[in-house]
Amino acid sequence: GEDVEQSLFLSVREGDSSVINCTYTDSSSTYLYWYKQEPGAGLQLLTYIFSNMDMKQDQRLTVLLNKKDKHLSLRIADTQTGDSAIYFCALKTGGFKTIFGAGTRLFVKA
Amino acid sequence: GAVVSQHPSRVICKSGTSVKIECRSLDFQATTMFWYRQFPKQSLMLMATSNEGSKATYEQGVEKDKFLINHASLTLSTLTVTSAHPEDSSFYICSAADGNEQYFGPGTRLTVT
Repeated sequence: GEDVEQSLFLSVREGDSSVINCTYTDSSSTYLYWYKQEPGAGLQLLTYIFSNMDMKQDQRLTVLLNKKDKHLSLRIADTQTGDSAIYFCALKTGGFKTIFGAGTRLFVKA
Repeated sequence: GAVVSQHPSRVICKSGTSVKIECRSLDFQATTMFWYRQFPKQSLMLMATSNEGSKATYEQGVEKDKFLINHASLTLSTLTVTSAHPEDSSFYICSAADGNEQYFGPGTRLTVT
């Protein structure tokens, strides 16, 4: 079946860039998402990219998609303490079904 | 933007009782609603997908008789955890789709004592 993998932890200093990586197995995914979850809260959609795109930039967020390697990344520029959260990579497969990675816990040190 | 609400946000119940969680799309009609379960420090696991007016489609390993899903209108879906046990304690998140995009609710934390 489909599989989405992420590293579990990332620690960066405030002001540095954060890069969160995700690999997946389903090559038929049409939309690829990044969600943010703060403690005890639901999911907030940060950004998404269509499968026919290589890159998308949205303010401090840059999404890179390498379809050949089935690799998706999220870069957060000028990381702030408020960016500390869990970041989920997710893929939409056929029929609106969305598959989530395990989430990467981002720690931002002041 | 589209808003999805869940009620209650937190619930504590005794083992053996049933708990109902509501999911509402506040400003759009949701053709499809999804229910996810999230264990501590783990990802979201899709439990079931429901379309308005029809039976829910459950993922493999999810007991349909234990997790009853009703999607009676385009703005409301309910998840009832029947005969709850401590191992059912979890964070339950619903999601509603309007045909273009999927929007997530804030989640309901269920604790079964």
